[in-house]
Amino acid sequence: DTGVSQDPRHKITKRGQNVTFRCDPISEHNRLYWYRQTLGQGPEFLTYFQNEAQLEKSRLLSDRFSAERPKGSFSTLEIQRTEQGDSAMYLCASSLKILTRINEQFFGPGTRLTVL
Amino acid sequence: QQPVQSPQAVILREGEDAVINCSSSKALYSVHWYRQKHGEAPVFLMILLKGGEQKGHEKISASFNEKKQQSSLYLTASQLSYSGTYFCGTEWYVASGTYKYIFGTGTRLKVLA
Repeated sequence: DTGVSQDPRHKITKRGQNVTFRCDPISEHNRLYWYRQTLGQGPEFLTYFQNEAQLEKSRLLSDRFSAERPKGSFSTLEIQRTEQGDSAMYLCASSLKILTRINEQFFGPGTRLTVL
Repeated sequence: QQPVQSPQAVILREGEDAVINCSSSKALYSVHWYRQKHGEAPVFLMILLKGGEQKGHEKISASFNEKKQQSSLYLTASQLSYSGTYFCGTEWYVASGTYKYIFGTGTRLKVLA
């Protein structure tokens, strides 16, 4: 399968615990996005990378959230001291940007986080 | 900042047409359209770039009015498989080579047999 993969697919944790999610984008894609989606709402942008550089970070992303893409390939999203409000589907997407051309984002299956 | 989509929901019979609109308050660089089925990730439908270039697949078309900062998605001869929630994704230039990207409010579409 050459699509975007995310791990784990489901995570149940207790409030106050730290969690880390992984995203493996399509191999030749240089852009990687993280979104959060709650029931009935559209994906909320969290952050994106171009190669290993984090270019934009939403104000929704509190200090408890951090994302990395150390080698410009896979990315991790960590949430520290989880709160019940963090419960959501976390989506990763990747795309290829060449010069000024922008291509579509391909989404992974998501990681569903439940904070008890 | 979130683009507003209209209508919020629409119910169609198979074979009928529908138009979904996306309005932004920003000068847009590109507009993307996605369809999301319940419990699944969004799937790309169409991208429209400033200057008129389009790229998409399936039997779906779209327009992008840069002056009005609006985009419309046209679904013709709808099929049962068109059911889902449609989102526009809008991208605009911020500064120093960076862009902001935000999804619209969504339109729920249901096609009945």
